[in-house]
Amino acid sequence: DQQVKQNSPSLSVQEGRISILNCDYTNSMFDYFLWYKKYPAEGPTFLISISSIKDKNEDGRFTVFLNKSAKHLSLHIVPSQPGDSAVYFCAASDRGSRLTFGEGTQLTVNP
Amino acid sequence: DGGITQSPKYLFRKEGQNVTLSCEQNLNHDAMYWYRQDPGQGLRLIYYSQIVNDFQKGDIAEGYSVSREKKESFPLTVTSAQKNPTAFYLCASSILPGASDGYTFGSGTRLTVV
Repeated sequence: DQQVKQNSPSLSVQEGRISILNCDYTNSMFDYFLWYKKYPAEGPTFLISISSIKDKNEDGRFTVFLNKSAKHLSLHIVPSQPGDSAVYFCAASDRGSRLTFGEGTQLTVNP
Repeated sequence: DGGITQSPKYLFRKEGQNVTLSCEQNLNHDAMYWYRQDPGQGLRLIYYSQIVNDFQKGDIAEGYSVSREKKESFPLTVTSAQKNPTAFYLCASSILPGASDGYTFGSGTRLTVV
């Protein structure tokens, strides 16, 4: 049972444009959501998070939106840069339990 | 600098052999985790430990074993019972078992069965 799903295995955008990465979840008890970024042969690094009491969190070029009624969250990167090319994982937690990760989306930003 | 160290970075195993992957952290984190990454399947939890001398199975524990004798160390043994061990293995830790502080990951070990 995949409780966190990232339905797009890959996404390609032009440098300077917006990248939108999507994530859906099925467990209504999830109350904390995170995005991680991963380069090849390295461990994931924390990017941005959002609590279920909010619907938006912003950090520089990165913004995460949460739509609880749709059980959907998205990560917006504006403007996209070639260094943003990586695999992005969505993760969710239920009241402080261990994280559940999505399958990941490979983002490629073309110069 | 605090962090998580995984070793070795690359590991080759012959069929039928057990191998142990090392994970050490100096972050004073209570909880530690082992994940496996396969293409198109994201990160799947193998085992996790919330405290010394205690650990729980994750979603894909079959063919793996762990120990947590020290707070800093959480080694993973891939046994010969693991049918498809070739993968990228990631160790992580967190201050508490909860997610509010997020996880800190090591740089991973690539295991290949030859």
